[in-house]
Amino acid sequence: SQQGEEDPQALSIQEGENATMNCSYKTSINNLQWYRQNSGRGLVHLILIRSNEREKHSGRLRVTLDTSKKSSSLLITASRAADTASYFCATDGGSQGNLIFGKGTKLSVKP
Amino acid sequence: DGGITQSPKYLFRKEGQNVTLSCEQNLNHDAMYWYRQDPGQGLRLIYYSQIVNDFQKGDIAEGYSVSREKKESFPLTVTSAQKNPTAFYLCASSIAHGNYGYTFGSGTRLTVV
Repeated sequence: SQQGEEDPQALSIQEGENATMNCSYKTSINNLQWYRQNSGRGLVHLILIRSNEREKHSGRLRVTLDTSKKSSSLLITASRAADTASYFCATDGGSQGNLIFGKGTKLSVKP
Repeated sequence: DGGITQSPKYLFRKEGQNVTLSCEQNLNHDAMYWYRQDPGQGLRLIYYSQIVNDFQKGDIAEGYSVSREKKESFPLTVTSAQKNPTAFYLCASSIAHGNYGYTFGSGTRLTVV
């Protein structure tokens, strides 16, 4: 089934730097969501952006959506070691109305 | 606190054995989902349920079965027909099926021994 793809697959930065992750998808969507997964744990919902929105903020998170390019980006500002995790985008473009998840970006923030 | 609970955290299965993974939620959510996560492959949908007494196959349903007799519970059985069951299994729920965020459990790691 079609799914979003995150880029890069892995990202390593120093504490205090900004981290940017990108997501591309194939089908038209109603919304796009970002999730975080700490190693060996479940996913945690971070933010949902609707197709008629271009940018959304939540704390240190900033998400943009460009439906003409079928892409989204997640920016984490002033990163902390606790931000170390995998980040997934998910779109509602599933043929059965379910969310489709990408393979994730593995972020490592070094203290 | 409202949430979604998966048990057990770790599960070992012998060849030819059926095992059942538990998923319980007290969020009053109508929709529930089972995903399988393998390294480097992201999450793949096994089964989902939009409402009590109803469930639908996802992309990789072969070798799995589910039931939804209560709103709160959506157990997943991994049968002996599933030839490669070693994976991390994630249960999720949503207020309704469609354009809503998911709440995930903490996962069950299943290993064949």
